[in-house]
Amino acid sequence: DIVMTQTPLSLPVTPGEPATISCRSSQSLLGRDDGNVYLDWFLQKPGQSPQLLIYTLSHRASGVPDRFSGTGEVTDFTLHISRVEAEDVGLYYCMQRIEFPYTFGQGTRLEIK
Amino acid sequence: QVQLEQSGTEVKRPGASVKVSCRASGYRFASYGITWVRQAPGQGLEWMGWISGYDAKTHYAQNLQGRLTMTTDTSTDTAYMEVRSLRSDDTAVYYCARDRVYDGSLYYYMDVWGKGTTVTVSS
Repeated sequence: DIVMTQTPLSLPVTPGEPATISCRSSQSLLGRDDGNVYLDWFLQKPGQSPQLLIYTLSHRASGVPDRFSGTGEVTDFTLHISRVEAEDVGLYYCMQRIEFPYTFGQGTRLEIK
Repeated sequence: QVQLEQSGTEVKRPGASVKVSCRASGYRFASYGITWVRQAPGQGLEWMGWISGYDAKTHYAQNLQGRLTMTTDTSTDTAYMEVRSLRSDDTAVYYCARDRVYDGSLYYYMDVWGKGTTVTVSS
């Protein structure tokens, strides 16, 4: 199985400041036929279901603010939040879906300072 | 709008079975699949398996093989997930999410999630 490793596990951020979360995979997530990277990011706000933020490395899901962006290649990925807002608190997960079983990172808890 | 409606809270004894439903609305059920994910208390997300809404093909997590069955009912646009021989470490919130329709189709992603079903296993 592909192992996903996130850092940091806890991320205190001052509102208005940027934040970055890193994710590394134990194998390449690059599609053989199309060159896409099959890495998604989810946010689970307190008491809610996970919600899709970013799919296929860098595509924002519908309704996601443009302060969220995803970058990376092959096995190293980053979620960027340009200016953190109070509503961004929660658990952030990366997940690979290039092969079954899908695997998630451990989660990064973003909190407001 | 596109929605996944899950069945209600369950409390089960160790050794029993639980069957959770996930009813889809607002889209063509057979054009997508359903992935099931669970989250134990205070823990992260764990992928359980996937089922196609088109042909009911499945993939299961290795650690649940033999205890897990996923099915669909296309007459009601509903996916089901059953876990047998329940143990205390099966206590979790179980989520369904809309996903790929074929196991080789990478262009789908988990864009719609149910609200979750709490399953508690306790003697």
